[in-house]
Amino acid sequence: SQKIEQNSEALNIQEGKTATLTCNYTNYSPAYLQWYRQDPGRGPVFLLLIRENEKEKRKERLKVTFDTTLKQSLFHITASQPADSATYLCALDLSSGNTPLVFGKGTRLSVIA
Amino acid sequence: SQTIHQWPATLVQPVGSPLSLECTVEGTSNPNLYWYRQAAGRGLQLLFYSVGIGQISSEVPQNLSASRPQDRQFILSSKKLLLSDSGFYLCAWSVRLGRYTFGSGTRLTVV
Repeated sequence: SQKIEQNSEALNIQEGKTATLTCNYTNYSPAYLQWYRQDPGRGPVFLLLIRENEKEKRKERLKVTFDTTLKQSLFHITASQPADSATYLCALDLSSGNTPLVFGKGTRLSVIA
Repeated sequence: SQTIHQWPATLVQPVGSPLSLECTVEGTSNPNLYWYRQAAGRGLQLLFYSVGIGQISSEVPQNLSASRPQDRQFILSSKKLLLSDSGFYLCAWSVRLGRYTFGSGTRLTVV
C-alpha cells in the first residue's frame, strides 16, 4: 500500500541545535516534494519545494534533501529558535501538479530555550 | 497580490443542521481549489478538489458536498451534519506545479 510517514509525532530539541525531520514514503514516485509549517489553529504555510532531480535545496536556516533511491526527504533547521516551534508537514506531488498533494501527518517540533 | 478568504473562523452547529463554508480567492485566475479536513492530532484529509468551474472531484465518500459556482469561489456544504463532521476545515488554492496557499481555516464543532 502507499504510505507517507514522518519520523515522529513530536520532536524536542535545545535552542541553537539543528533539528532534523524525516519524511519517508513507500509505493509512490513523486515528481516534487514540498514542506509546510503549521502553527496551532492556522493553515499550513509553504516553506520549500524540491524536485526529484534536485539533491538539496536551501532557504536561510532551512535545508531540504530528497533521495529518490531511499524514498526519503530530510528537513533541517539550523540554529533552531523557540519561534521555530510548530508542526512541519511534508507533501508529495505525484504527477507534476495534475493531482492533489498527498500530505504526511506532520512532526510537532518544540525548541526549548 | 494573491489572497484567500475563508469564513467563518469558528462554528458550532447542532447535529442534523445544514452547513455552508465559503472560500474565495483573489489575485489569480483559474486556480485549482481544495477542501481539506484536519481532525485533532491527525493529518490533512483531502475532501474535494476542483480544476475549474463546475468541476468537482470527491476523494472520500461522506456527508459533505462541494460546489464551485465561480472561478474563484469554492463552497463546502452538508444537508445534515453528523458528530463525526467536527474538525478543522481548510481551503487552499494552487496553480499547476505550485505551492499550496491555505486559508485560515474553520473550526467546526458539531454538538
